[in-house]
Amino acid sequence: QVQLVESGGGVVQPGKSLRLSCAASGFTFSNYGIHWVRQAPGKGLEWVALISYDGTKTYYAESVKGRFTISRDNSKSTLYLQMNSPRPDDTAVYYCARGYNWLDPWGQGTLVTVSS
Amino acid sequence: QSALTQPRSVSGSPGQSVTISCTGTNSDIGIYNYVSWYQQHPGKAPKLIIYDVSQRPSGVPDRFSGSKSGSTASLTISRLQAEDEADYFCCSFAGTSYVFGTGTWVTVL
Repeated sequence: QVQLVESGGGVVQPGKSLRLSCAASGFTFSNYGIHWVRQAPGKGLEWVALISYDGTKTYYAESVKGRFTISRDNSKSTLYLQMNSPRPDDTAVYYCARGYNWLDPWGQGTLVTVSS
Repeated sequence: QSALTQPRSVSGSPGQSVTISCTGTNSDIGIYNYVSWYQQHPGKAPKLIIYDVSQRPSGVPDRFSGSKSGSTASLTISRLQAEDEADYFCCSFAGTSYVFGTGTWVTVL
């Protein structure tokens, strides 16, 4: 079945770096755009970034532009989010989700805590 | 891009209908028909229930329906059931980004 599995979350100090991964299975990964969406504890959903099916186009929320980088390796069916200079307000569960104008399905999420 | 505005909570008895509004602007909902809705139970990942304003994915009950008028989209849950108690989020394409709603908790009384 179609599945997305995030990994790489954990505790990271402000200003350090962290890379999240999202492993896809059950569909042709290279045919789809993929999003990152985050949810701070007890809060709503916030769109973070989108990458096109072939990786040539990327889009970012203003809140992460210049600090986070979305990328993908279609040969490994894997999506990445490189988080540089994270801040405490980046603390959230990070989800990857397939699609362009709607997101389906979603992974189970990985928790990132930015704290010293 | 500011979050789309949703009521914080709505409630209804089993069998009744509830409607959740999602208010945006002429930069998102007002000019694009790419509104989607997601259901999220506590501790779970969101699940798509409506896309392209009013389309239902396979497997989603027809009790869920969506519509749009101007810059406001709406989700209606008919014949409310206990398992519908969850958070609901709208989402709209906004040109080169996407914006989610603030979220609405649905209580089944």
